[in-house]
Amino acid sequence: DGGITQSPKYLFRKEGQNVTLSCEQNLNHDAMYWYRQDPGQGLRLIYYSQIVNDFQKGDIAEGYSVSREKKESFPLTVTSAQKNPTAFYLCASRGTSGLLSYNEQFFGPGTRLTVL
Amino acid sequence: GQQVMQIPQYQHVQEGEDFTTYCNSSTTLSNIQWYKQRPGGHPVFLIQLVKSGEVKKQKRLTFQFGEAKKNSSLHITATQTTDVGTYFCAGGRSGGSNYKLTFGKGTLLTVNP
Repeated sequence: DGGITQSPKYLFRKEGQNVTLSCEQNLNHDAMYWYRQDPGQGLRLIYYSQIVNDFQKGDIAEGYSVSREKKESFPLTVTSAQKNPTAFYLCASRGTSGLLSYNEQFFGPGTRLTVL
Repeated sequence: GQQVMQIPQYQHVQEGEDFTTYCNSSTTLSNIQWYKQRPGGHPVFLIQLVKSGEVKKQKRLTFQFGEAKKNSSLHITATQTTDVGTYFCAGGRSGGSNYKLTFGKGTLLTVNP
């Protein structure tokens, strides 16, 4: 069963703690993305990676870090420097091969992080 | 940076009425994609438009891409309760080997049966 998995679905952390959100895909996609979704704000890009061992900051990267050591995995760490970390976090992947240059993004089910 | 504005933010209709959401970009786009997110779910890809002036249809949904490739619309004819959700447009821009989408804030559609 191909797709993107994110775990856990709900996550609670105390203020001041770092937390890592998992994102795994078995779609053999090169590109992976992390978005943050807040009510009324749409999807805002945190980090993205177009190939293993390479990633770029998105529009709201401050207080977040990522790694891309394997093609299948793109974990996101929410650090204590992120001022307002409570949000819904969505991971996505995109194939970059084939005739269609701008392939669609496939999203995982998301992780809802609450910082107490 | 690139901005993608989407209106309206909310739309409530009676079942059977039509619905339209509009998307405008501050810059020329390479392509535009539309996604639907059901309540409690994650965004799911609906369609992509690439050519200037392109129009595509999916059953009761009609998607348009403007001639200048800076605006787009999604029109739903005769809405049904299954159409409930948030519709996002996402504008794509290429810069060398770098490509990313910028999402609009979405339009939340609710349908009264």
